[in-house]
Amino acid sequence: GNSVTQMEGPVTLSEEAFLTINCTYTATGYPSLFWYVQYPGEGLQLLLKATKADDKGSNKGFEATYRKETTSFHLEKGSVQVSDSAVYFCALYNTDKLIFGTGTRLQVFP
Amino acid sequence: EAEVAQSPRYKITEKSQAVAFWCDPISGHATLYWYRQILGQGPELLVQFQDESVVDDSQLPKDRFSAERLKGVDSTLKIQPAELGDSAMYLCASSYPARGTDTQYFGPGTRLTVL
Repeated sequence: GNSVTQMEGPVTLSEEAFLTINCTYTATGYPSLFWYVQYPGEGLQLLLKATKADDKGSNKGFEATYRKETTSFHLEKGSVQVSDSAVYFCALYNTDKLIFGTGTRLQVFP
Repeated sequence: EAEVAQSPRYKITEKSQAVAFWCDPISGHATLYWYRQILGQGPELLVQFQDESVVDDSQLPKDRFSAERLKGVDSTLKIQPAELGDSAMYLCASSYPARGTDTQYFGPGTRLTVL
């Protein structure tokens, strides 16, 4: 079946630190992969996506590369800001369904 | 930029009462989704519409939940009667142009608290 596994949080960083949030998936076929971000009390915002192996999605300084050989889609940012504090969800789309991980909370301190 | 609209943003109700949530998708989006997100977890699909037709409601607790999209545009999700375990965020999403399109756009959600 389809599933997504994310690293548990919270991830606590100082401003300007490097961020990695790990995500691995299980799926049949060739899913599309996504990162969504959820700020406190709000809905989910699409952060980036990749639709095939070796694609790199990027947005607002965040990036993730679709790695079929390791079934991973890790989220990275070179220098985080306090405003990046939120919950990040990795997701895959396959067989007409969007399947989410459990989310990883990021806390960035000045 | 077009957005998915939801109302109300917050709802507090007592158990056994009826509640209803409304969603207006991005104009032109044929596919509409309702998700439930329990605190600390990822969203889980409750029901999916293609235009006015339900294409997947396998995870919808049909004894108490109902959803409709009568004219293929906006949609209502109802719970009757509400139970304590229904406390969650209810998210609406839409996608274009038809079933099978992978990118879904989410609204701000309705946070339901059942007392």
